[in-house]
Amino acid sequence: DAGITQSPRYKITETGRQVTLMCHQTWSHSYMFWYRQDLGHGLRLIYYSAAADITDKGEVPDGYVVSRSKTENFPLTLESATRSQTSVYFCATKAGFEETQYFGPGTRLLVL
Amino acid sequence: AQKITQTQPGMFVQEKEAVTLDCTYDTSDPSYGLFWYKQPSSGEMIFLIYQGSYDQQNATEGRYSLNFQKARKSANLVISASQLGDSAMYFCAMRVQGAQKLVFGQGTRLTINP
Repeated sequence: DAGITQSPRYKITETGRQVTLMCHQTWSHSYMFWYRQDLGHGLRLIYYSAAADITDKGEVPDGYVVSRSKTENFPLTLESATRSQTSVYFCATKAGFEETQYFGPGTRLLVL
Repeated sequence: AQKITQTQPGMFVQEKEAVTLDCTYDTSDPSYGLFWYKQPSSGEMIFLIYQGSYDQQNATEGRYSLNFQKARKSANLVISASQLGDSAMYFCAMRVQGAQKLVFGQGTRLTINP
């Protein structure tokens, strides 16, 4: 049981390109989250989803788009990548009745 | 606004000693939850322990305990009998009522020396 998988694990792209980071869960947790981790900032929430077709902005949503057509998938798209979006991106999930968020392994993104 | 502060950028501890990692929080919401996560050098985020604001007793999970002092708004992580494998970044986080997001502190890098 893989739990949460993220793909790709590493990505190098160029400024202006569109990039999609994938997140897949096998637990059927209702909540899914995208965080970014930058030095000196800890983790910051980009977007989250309470259920399929329900998404909401987090702390740093600008430049990102999400969708959730199926419960198990929560892709994050950078519409036109910028160097400031170089970061480590974590997907997380949470069951509706639980407190704890569980994190995927992360995707390291470098924007040149 | 909710905020988490971890004032120790780095800590060095001898193996087998106990270690306390500091975390203070700021919220006006009476209902909230506090979490600690461990991030080893491999990069994954590992959940360690949770404390609810209405919990009467301090949370414990094996060698981890959370020293919850509500009046002081602190939620320090205590690791007993530290091991070399405890070397990692440790993040304190908070969730407030009505919000699903976690607010994280900047982390403390713990190094256990043999």
